[in-house]
Amino acid sequence: DVVMTQSPLSLPVTLGQAASISCWSSESLVYRDGNTYLNWFHQRPGQSPRRLIYKVSNRDSGVPDRFSGSGSGTIFTLKISRVEAEDVGIYYCMQATHWPYTFGQGTKLEVK
Amino acid sequence: QVQLVQSGAEVKVPGASVRVSCKASGYIFTDYAIHWVRQAPGQRPEWMGWINDNGDTKYSPKFQDRVTITRDISASTAYMDLNNLTSEDTAVYYCARTREGNFWGQGTLVIVSS
Repeated sequence: DVVMTQSPLSLPVTLGQAASISCWSSESLVYRDGNTYLNWFHQRPGQSPRRLIYKVSNRDSGVPDRFSGSGSGTIFTLKISRVEAEDVGIYYCMQATHWPYTFGQGTKLEVK
Repeated sequence: QVQLVQSGAEVKVPGASVRVSCKASGYIFTDYAIHWVRQAPGQRPEWMGWINDNGDTKYSPKFQDRVTITRDISASTAYMDLNNLTSEDTAVYYCARTREGNFWGQGTLVIVSS
């Protein structure tokens, strides 16, 4: 299976400040169709995961533009330009290029 | 609006089987795949498998021998059956539609305990 690794695992942030999460895959996530199927999810306690970003940098409907994704190949980044209180929770990167799809171990974002 | 509503929590003994249902509404059921993902307490989610718009299925090798995903088109409902349960199968099980948007069910807690 493709191993997804995230850093940091814990991310204390001051409200209004920027935050960044890195994600590495053990294999290239470029699919034979040329797309890179790297997604970012956010999960609050007791809730279902919510996808924020698909195919590296595309925001899902309703996702604020303070969230952005970038990267290529095996290295990816999620950035939050100005953290708001509703952003707390766990962020996961997830690859959907290779079967079985796999998630990173998660990054817990909390407010300082 | 698209909704996926799952069946309620289950408590099972080791060796038993469980069926979780996922009723879809707000879209044409046969136009999209339904995926199944589970999340053990404090762990990252795990993708289990899917049933596509044609009714074909694909399973993660980890669950290949124990999981069966089916659907009832007339009821717009997908099902995930997992057999030979152990305590390590204690988790929240989710169904999801991941194309043209990303929609998840509310999750179904399955507890396996003697």
